[in-house]
Amino acid sequence: AQSVAQPEDQVNVAEGNPLTVKCTYSVSGNPYLFWYVQYPNRGLQFLLKYITGDNLVKGSYGFEAEFNKSQTSFHLKKPSALVSDSALYFCAATLNAGNNRKLIWGLGTSLAVNP
Amino acid sequence: GAVVSQHPSRVICKSGTSVKIECRSLDFQATTMFWYRQFPKQSLMLMATSNEGSKATYEQGVEKDKFLINHASLTLSTLTVTSAHPEDSSFYICSAPGLVHEQYFGPGTRLTVT
Repeated sequence: AQSVAQPEDQVNVAEGNPLTVKCTYSVSGNPYLFWYVQYPNRGLQFLLKYITGDNLVKGSYGFEAEFNKSQTSFHLKKPSALVSDSALYFCAATLNAGNNRKLIWGLGTSLAVNP
Repeated sequence: GAVVSQHPSRVICKSGTSVKIECRSLDFQATTMFWYRQFPKQSLMLMATSNEGSKATYEQGVEKDKFLINHASLTLSTLTVTSAHPEDSSFYICSAPGLVHEQYFGPGTRLTVT
């Protein structure tokens, strides 16, 4: 079955330290990969995506993610965490299947950045 | 960027009644919209894909007669929870695909059935 896994329910990091939120996928073909963020009481926001090309993609708010095909991973990273980065992060993949764009979601990782 | 709105943001209804949730794409057209349900501290569960001008496609286990979806125009999709029960209480979110693979999400509707 097609799936996206986020192995950590929660990640805690001190402000100013680098952060990593992990994501692995099991999707056939060449999926498109995404990271979305959900702040408390706000809608989901798009952070970044990997479609093709350079394995390192840069997104909003200083976040970046590295696509690793051999490890089927797409970990989200930021060199220096901010308290305001505390939120719920979701990794997702679409099946490369035309215009449907149905997303397969990870279960989410709650990031807490401590001052 | 593209904006998707949802109305209402919160609704409380009595058990047995029906409630309608609207999802609008404000500055772009959407032939497809997605309806999700999110439980506290959990991921999004795709309920159905709404298609303008045709029937919605429901995910396995989602009752189509209970969760009625109508995609009336290129900017509006509605989800009606019929004969609501307390177990239907949840956070409902819609989304619409953008031009370049990403999706734009509405802010969500918190439904509480008493």
